[in-house]
Amino acid sequence: DTGVSQDPRHKITKRGQNVTFRCDPISEHNRLYWYRQTLGQGPEFLTYFQNEAQLEKSRLLSDRFSAERPKGSFSTLEIQRTEQGDSAMYLCASSSTPLVNEQFFGPGTRLTVL
Amino acid sequence: TQLLEQSPQFLSIQEGENLTVYCNSSSVFSSLQWYRQEPGEGPVLLVTVVTGGEVKKLKRLTFQFGDARKDSSLHITAAQPGDTGLYLCAGLMNGSSNTGKLIFGQGTTLQVKP
Repeated sequence: DTGVSQDPRHKITKRGQNVTFRCDPISEHNRLYWYRQTLGQGPEFLTYFQNEAQLEKSRLLSDRFSAERPKGSFSTLEIQRTEQGDSAMYLCASSSTPLVNEQFFGPGTRLTVL
Repeated sequence: TQLLEQSPQFLSIQEGENLTVYCNSSSVFSSLQWYRQEPGEGPVLLVTVVTGGEVKKLKRLTFQFGDARKDSSLHITAAQPGDTGLYLCAGLMNGSSNTGKLIFGQGTTLQVKP
C-alpha cells in the first residue's frame, strides 16, 4: 500500500536560504493539498491542485512561496528567502472523493529555520 | 477567531477511563472528519461523518455528527495508552466541495497513563 510520501522528512536551513519539498500523492488521487502546521495548532490550508491546475491559494501563501504539480502527479513546494517564522511542519494530502473529500496525509516535512 | 473550536485542548487520564472530545462551530459543514496524529507524523484519518445525527463506531471510539451539522463529538470508552495522541476534527464547509479545503480545529492532546 503506497500512501502519500513526502521528502525530506526534516530540513534545517539558515534564514535567507531557499528550500524545496516534494510530495508524492496516492497514485489514483487527482486532488492534492498543502497544509502548514505549527506547534500546538491544527493544520492550516495553503494551496490546492486538481490534476496539474492550482485552483486555490491561501492568503498565508506569501509571494515567497510557490507550488507546482507539473504533470498532475507529484508536487513541489518551494520557499524562497526563508524566515524564522516559516519554521513549521509542512503537510501534503491527497484525495479522490470530491463530495466528501476524505484526505489522506503524508508524514510531513519538518522545517527549522535558524 | 477559530472556526472550529475543540475542547478540551489537553486531557490526561488513567487507563480504563472514558472521555469525550468536542468540536463546535457556528458554521454548517457538509462533512466532518476526525484524525489522530502522533508527534512528528502526519494526521491519520479515523472517520468521516456526513449526515446530521450520524453516529459511527470504530472499536472503542464513537463519533457523532450534530443534527445541524455544526458540531461533532468523539467518545472513547476504556481508554488505553495506545490512544495517546493529538485528535483533530476537520470540517468541509458547505460550498467548499469544489476545492475540498478542510478547516481544522486546534486539536485535543490526549495522554492516557498506564
